[in-house]
Parts: sequence; structure tokens; C-alpha cells
Amino acid sequence: AQKVTQAQTEISVVEKEDVTLDCVYETRDTTYYLFWYKQPPSGELVFLIRRNSFDEQNEISGRYSWNFQKSTSSFNFTITASQVVDSAVYFCALMDGNKLVFGAGTILRVKS
Amino acid sequence: ETGVTQSPTHLIKTRGQQVTLRCSSQSGHNTVSWYQQALGQGPQFIFQYYREEENGRGNFPPRFSGLQFPNYSSELNVNALELDDSALYLCASSLPNTPGGAGYGYTFGSGTRLTVV
Repeated sequence: AQKVTQAQTEISVVEKEDVTLDCVYETRDTTYYLFWYKQPPSGELVFLIRRNSFDEQNEISGRYSWNFQKSTSSFNFTITASQVVDSAVYFCALMDGNKLVFGAGTILRVKS
Repeated sequence: ETGVTQSPTHLIKTRGQQVTLRCSSQSGHNTVSWYQQALGQGPQFIFQYYREEENGRGNFPPRFSGLQFPNYSSELNVNALELDDSALYLCASSLPNTPGGAGYGYTFGSGTRLTVV
């Protein structure tokens, strides 16, 4: 079955700390796509990144970086030098056919 | 380019009533998907519409139904509301057959917060 697990329910950090959000997935497919979304209090899901299974290069975008490891079925997300504006719920998701299967999300609270 | 707009933003209904939620897709997007997000959980796929036809459905009962119109806007209808239907309903528009999956091009709206009392 396609499944995404985000074991961290809530993380609190102080501004400028680095923080890593964990994501573990299960899939029967050999080719698959993983995503991270940010959900601020306004409710919409903001796309952050898509990763396909045949590209294991890690990616960096500004303060954001992603570590994809097929061997451990993990796709972790790190925010460097966190800021208060990073406070949100973060979802990891797996594409299953034409739908996204989401994890339960991790609430990130960044305190000043 | 306009994003995805959903209406209303908030709604309170009584158990047993019916509700219609609306979604206007992003310009140029012809596929619309609906998700239900219960409090403290991740979004769950309800169904997707492409060219006015249902194109996949999640594990939701038939009282959840939808429509897509020629301008690609969409409605989600829920009959015989139950307390557990209380949730944030998210609409996402996309282009079909985007390389690697439509998820690459999903644009989500801000959702409709439905409360059933």
C-alpha cells in the first residue's frame, strides 16, 4: 500500500536554529514521485518540491534542502537558520496514480 | 494569472443537510481534484474531474459527489451531512498528464472550512 509517515507531530525551535522534518514512505511502485508542501495558517497548500525516484541527488533551495534516500525510503526536509515565517504545517506526500497520498503533517513552531 | 479560488471560506451546517462547495481553477488548468482535511490530519483524496468526467475516486461514500463545468470550475456536493464531515475541503487544479504526474502542477486553494453541528 502507498503510505507516508511523518513521525514528528510537532517541533519547536528558536529562530536561527536548523530543523529537520522526517518523512518515510512505502510504495509498491519502482517509479514514484515525492513532494513536500507547506500549509500556513491561511490554509492553502504551498508546493515546495517534487522528487522522482530515479533522481537521488539531494537538492538545495536557499535555506531549504532535501535528503532523498531510497535505501531507507526516506525523504527528509531541512530548514537552515529557521525564521518565524517558517512556522506552518509541513506535509510530505507520495503520488499514487493521479492522487497525492499525504502524511499526517508536522507542525513547525519557530519562536523569536 | 489567477490562482484557485474556493467559496465559501467558512460554512456551518446541521447534520442531515446538504452542502455545495465551489472551486474556480487556475487559468489554463483543466483538471480539478478535491481533498478533505480533518483537523490534525493530512488531506485525503476525494475525487478528481477531467473534462467534466470523474477521473478517479478515493474512499468516500456516494453521498460525496461532484461536477465539473465547461469552464473547468467545479462543485463538491455532500448529502446527508454527518458530524465527521466537519473538515477543511481543499480544491486543487492542474494540467493532466504533466510529465511525472499532475502533482507537479497542482495549485491548491485556501479551502472551505465546513462545520457540521
